[in-house]
Amino acid sequence: QKEVEQNSGPLSVPEGAIASLNCTYSDRGSQSFFWYRQYSGKSPELIMFIYSNGDKEDGRFTAQLNKASQYVSLLIRDSQPSDSATYLCAVSENAGGTSYGKLTFGQGTILTVHP
Amino acid sequence: NAGVTQTPKFQVLKTGQSMTLQCAQDMNHNSMYWYRQDPGMGLRLIYYSASEGTTDKGEVPNGYNVSRLNKREFSLRLESAAPSQTSVYFCASSDWAGRGGEKLFFGSGTQLSVL
Repeated sequence: QKEVEQNSGPLSVPEGAIASLNCTYSDRGSQSFFWYRQYSGKSPELIMFIYSNGDKEDGRFTAQLNKASQYVSLLIRDSQPSDSATYLCAVSENAGGTSYGKLTFGQGTILTVHP
Repeated sequence: NAGVTQTPKFQVLKTGQSMTLQCAQDMNHNSMYWYRQDPGMGLRLIYYSASEGTTDKGEVPNGYNVSRLNKREFSLRLESAAPSQTSVYFCASSDWAGRGGEKLFFGSGTQLSVL
């Protein structure tokens, strides 16, 4: 049984701070890693994905991957109240060359950014 | 651009009743998915369709059937609803993101209650 674990939170940070969200996974064959944001009552939307060890930056968001430790994280710099949402970590075993992928999701971390 | 459209948005069933959840995407994606989301458990894959004419089981397929009607449409059927199927159901389609794997695009969800 492949597992993806997240701290369910809630994680509360002040506006302007860095929010750090963490995720561990059990399957060493996992190849691609995704962060989805889900506002209350809405559907998940993709923020970032990463497949190589190290950091990947996109605006205020940085994804970090350490395959040896089976660990992936998401940093949100200059956090805003509009970042308040549930953040879902998802893992895919699909390495490429096929036309589909199945994701295993963590339970999500609730982030609250207070003014 | 509508993206992924799900109907209905809300449904209440009695135990033993049947119903079909409809999903259509207009992004010309090959792959489509049905997930369910329960509190504290993240998203779990019910069924997926890698391409038109193919379907396969995900993590939690029991009690469900699917039909890939054409490239655009993928329906989920509950033949005899049970209270354990009370959940939020999301349809998704995916786009190839290169080596990063598939990016999922979600519909707005169906809140299903089985009494």
